[in-house]
Amino acid sequence: ELKVEQNPLFLSMQEGKNYTIYCNYSTTSDRLYWYRQDPGKSLESLFVLLSNGAVKQEGRLMASLDTKARLSTLHITAAVHDLSATYFCAVGSSNYQLIWGAGTKLIIKP
Amino acid sequence: NAGVTQTPKFQVLKTGQSMTLQCAQDMNHNSMYWYRQDPGMGLRLIYYSASEGTTDKGEVPNGYNVSRLNKREFSLRLESAAPSQTSVYFCASSQQGTSAFFGQGTRLTVV
Repeated sequence: ELKVEQNPLFLSMQEGKNYTIYCNYSTTSDRLYWYRQDPGKSLESLFVLLSNGAVKQEGRLMASLDTKARLSTLHITAAVHDLSATYFCAVGSSNYQLIWGAGTKLIIKP
Repeated sequence: NAGVTQTPKFQVLKTGQSMTLQCAQDMNHNSMYWYRQDPGMGLRLIYYSASEGTTDKGEVPNGYNVSRLNKREFSLRLESAAPSQTSVYFCASSQQGTSAFFGQGTRLTVV
């Protein structure tokens, strides 16, 4: 059974700092997704990672995938307040399902 | 671009009442999904439809039914609502292997 663990679940940081969110999963998968959710809002796709060693960057966010370690990271560089949100990773299972992490609530203080 | 449209946005039900959540997408996606989101948890899949004419159970299907009416529309029905079904419900659609697009969510309270 595929399980997905994110850590930390809560992160409070200062603007300008760097930090990393981790997403571990328990069985082999060929696809991993990162999403962002603002309070009371829907989910917005950030990245799709489909192969070992994949790295994608958008602004201050960079995601990477290590399929051998079953680990993806979401790195935040020089955080700004607008990046405050909850970030989810989701991992594709053998059928059409995605298994979701519990989410990391990120608060960035000015 | 409408994307994925869910109705209603908010609903309060009494225990035992029934209701249907509607979802429509205009992106010509084959796959559609219904999730529920509870505080402190990730999304849990209720049902999905890989293509028009097919539906399958997800992680938490008990108490729900679905209908894939056509390629655009995928509805979720609660036959006899229970307080444990108080949640935020999201509909999503995707093409296989690509990111899913989500609707705005339905906040359901069962009293």
